[in-house]
Amino acid sequence: LAKTTQPISMDSYEGQEVNITCSHNNIATNDYITWYQQFPSQGPRFIIQGYKTKVTNEVASLFIPADRKSSTLSLPRVSLSDTAVYYCLVGAFISGGYNKLIFGAGTRLAVHP
Amino acid sequence: EAGVAQSPRYKIIEKRQSVAFWCNPISGHATLYWYQQILGQGPKLLIQFQNNGVVDDSQLPKDRFSAERLKGVDSTLKIQPAKLEDSAVYLCASSLDRLAGGQGTGELFFGEGSRLTVL
Repeated sequence: LAKTTQPISMDSYEGQEVNITCSHNNIATNDYITWYQQFPSQGPRFIIQGYKTKVTNEVASLFIPADRKSSTLSLPRVSLSDTAVYYCLVGAFISGGYNKLIFGAGTRLAVHP
Repeated sequence: EAGVAQSPRYKIIEKRQSVAFWCNPISGHATLYWYQQILGQGPKLLIQFQNNGVVDDSQLPKDRFSAERLKGVDSTLKIQPAKLEDSAVYLCASSLDRLAGGQGTGELFFGEGSRLTVL
């Protein structure tokens, strides 16, 4: 399984764009990149998933370069409610159609007024 | 649609006692996961079920932890006897998994967790 490396923590201010980069140098051909968000006292929540290039949804964008050895989660115009831990996961959909995802330590994002 | 249900939300026990956690996944989700999350750390996968079969339990401390998923729906995680280092939040998650042909994201849906304190 590919290991991921993320910054331990980041700080930002309301209204700014936040970019969190994750390194996954040993990513395999079949691996997908998935990001989860976790608030205190809650389980993680799926944000976005991608394989290559750019993916965008109503919450975030995910940028993946051609070599796929890193990825960047972009949160536009953050608010105080975006203060959370963000996890980058890399994993494949193994035989039988089920996946196997390993969480790292995550990035603690603090958004200030 | 109902989410993943877990109980109890909180449990305090003394070391060497036993405890059990229950999880009811989202209806129709074939895969069920138990994660252990120690304060300040990311969730650690303990065991993964596909229907009622075990996919991965390589990080489950089998001398004290056990889990079952009878009938491929509800699941129970048991710790016996508990140690101080078992104090953590136990998260249950389920997923619909990716269908043949690459449909879906295999997104994990988590419950709110069961917080265990071992004294």
